[in-house]
Amino acid sequence: DSGVTQTPKHLITATGQRVTLRCSPRSGDLSVYWYQQSLDQGLQFLIQYYNGEERAKGNILERFSAQQFPDLHSELNLSSLELGDSALYFCASSRGLAGTTSTDTQYFGPGTRLTVL
Amino acid sequence: QKEVEQDPGPLSVPEGAIVSLNCTYSNSAFQYFMWYRQYSRKGPELLMYTYSSGNKEDGRFTAQVDKSSKYISLFIRDSQPSDSATYLCAMSRPYGNNRLAFGKGNQVVVIP
Repeated sequence: DSGVTQTPKHLITATGQRVTLRCSPRSGDLSVYWYQQSLDQGLQFLIQYYNGEERAKGNILERFSAQQFPDLHSELNLSSLELGDSALYFCASSRGLAGTTSTDTQYFGPGTRLTVL
Repeated sequence: QKEVEQDPGPLSVPEGAIVSLNCTYSNSAFQYFMWYRQYSRKGPELLMYTYSSGNKEDGRFTAQVDKSSKYISLFIRDSQPSDSATYLCAMSRPYGNNRLAFGKGNQVVVIP
């Protein structure tokens, strides 16, 4: 168990709808990262927040948005959903800003499986 | 061309065999190299971490980085059925760009 929690585990919705995915980082971690994993694209970085502020942006669509709250949990909002948005969405957390060093690595949650019908 | 290429083909090996996985990359700015292991229906977990070029060994696992060839490898010796998982390579630049670029992953099945 990585210590990162994500809810819900599964989400089934229809095209055009909006959903919210939630992530609670490990205790003491200030950075939260969101990733999308699909069979054709693999694991793609979406966005990073550090202590409530957006710090890095990847291939995140304009229909998607995220935020990190004062208690450090984060939410990823996906709107106007399309069939192609069906994927596994992972949240990861790290102690500091880097998340890419031997002393500050990313720990992944179990993911939310989103199915858009 | 994707930044990180990993042939996503599945790999089946008998128990005790050596598993060899590799990735190539195009961005010479990458300095941190990682291998993640992902069990079915779980999130990725960090398995090996290497900074710049060289080898790193941890038990039955060896990670190699050849920056001149832009090529990284993971070797698993004496493979066990519990090693059956998907292995993803990942890498990143230093100095503030925190994005991890992942390969597509290799599904490894170790047959008892």
